[in-house]
Amino acid sequence: AQSVSQHNHHVILSEAASLELGCNYSYGGTVNLFWYVQYPGQHLQLLLKYFSGDPLVKGIKGFEAEFIKSKFSFNLRKPSVQWSDTAEYFCAVSTSGTYKYIFGTGTRLKVLA
Amino acid sequence: NAGVTQTPKFQVLKTGQSMTLQCAQDMNHNSMYWYRQDPGMGLRLIYYSASEGTTDKGEVPNGYNVSRLNKREFSLRLESAAPSQTSVYFCASTGSGVAGTQYFGPGTRLLVL
Repeated sequence: AQSVSQHNHHVILSEAASLELGCNYSYGGTVNLFWYVQYPGQHLQLLLKYFSGDPLVKGIKGFEAEFIKSKFSFNLRKPSVQWSDTAEYFCAVSTSGTYKYIFGTGTRLKVLA
Repeated sequence: NAGVTQTPKFQVLKTGQSMTLQCAQDMNHNSMYWYRQDPGMGLRLIYYSASEGTTDKGEVPNGYNVSRLNKREFSLRLESAAPSQTSVYFCASTGSGVAGTQYFGPGTRLLVL
């Protein structure tokens, strides 16, 4: 069965620190990859997604992610975090030809001002 | 556009009671989804509807039923609520065929006593 692993459950950073959140998936075929963010008290919204082409994907608010097929990974990065990035981040995968999405367990990020 | 709307926002039930969670989208999306979000477990797919007239089970369908009433509306029913169904329920919709961006509703917090 497909699965998504997010190894960092809680991350605490100071403002201006760099961020990298890990995401690994298990599926051997063609995948579509997503990062969603849930700010406190809000619903999930898309940060960025990868379907094909350039494996380095840029999203909103300065986030980017790199798809490394050989490592089954899609890690999220941001060079300098802000207090407003405090949120929960979810990695998700869907496989070509299906309508199902599998989400990771999420990473809670707290940025200290 | 309102996007994806859910009612109610919050509900308290006693064990054994039934209720229906309502979801509607005004984006003319084909696919709709119900997830539950529990601490440390991320989002888990309960049921989805790839298109009007079809529904399929997700990862955790037991204890739930769904109805795709029309293209806009997708309801989730708990026939006999159990404390294990205490959770936050999110509805989502997707437009552009397979593996498009999911748009989420604001969620329904359900407490089963």
